[in-house]
Amino acid sequence: AQTVTQSQPEMSVQEAETVTLSCTYDTSESDYYLFWYKQPPSRQMILVIRQEAYKQQNATENRFSVNFQKAAKSFSLKISDSQLGDAAMYFCAWAGYSTLTFGKGTMLLVSP
Amino acid sequence: ETGVTQTPRHLVMGMTNKKSLKCEQHLGHNAMYWYKQSAKKPLELMFVYSLEERVENNSVPSRFSPECPNSSHLFLHLHTLQPEDSALYLCASSQDLGVAGELFFGEGSRLTVL
Repeated sequence: AQTVTQSQPEMSVQEAETVTLSCTYDTSESDYYLFWYKQPPSRQMILVIRQEAYKQQNATENRFSVNFQKAAKSFSLKISDSQLGDAAMYFCAWAGYSTLTFGKGTMLLVSP
Repeated sequence: ETGVTQTPRHLVMGMTNKKSLKCEQHLGHNAMYWYKQSAKKPLELMFVYSLEERVENNSVPSRFSPECPNSSHLFLHLHTLQPEDSALYLCASSQDLGVAGELFFGEGSRLTVL
């Protein structure tokens, strides 16, 4: 069975600083997708960024970028120039042929 | 108007009550999902519907009963629940069934079982 591990239950960052959230996964499949979802307090979970495993280039979306290390099965999320609105629970997710598996999440706190 | 709407947002029920959670998506998607979100646990997939047909049931107790009358609506009927069923229940939709696409989530229904 696939597993997704987010080893940081909580992270803190100051506004304008950079923070990296960690995610590792375990799979024997070669083709899959990886996602980071953001869940603000009492608001909808939304997709932040997606990475196809067959692509070597790391995905980026404005201030959000990933460091995808396929051999190490690592998929970290870097948030640059952090903003108060980035405060949320962040979930890493792995998707294979027919299964989507989420990690337990990392709560990101942003201070002024 | 949000793409996926869930009602009620909060629900408190006794173990002998019968209630229902409702989900409506306005995105024209073909697949809909129920997830259970408990504190400090990964999201648990409960049910998957594609074009109104149930395609997955992840060993969910029979006290949870899903219904998908059309591709825009999804219900979760609840009866004789247990306190450990207290959680945030999330509805999601996607354009088609499959894991490559983006999931669109509702805000969730916070369920408390007394």
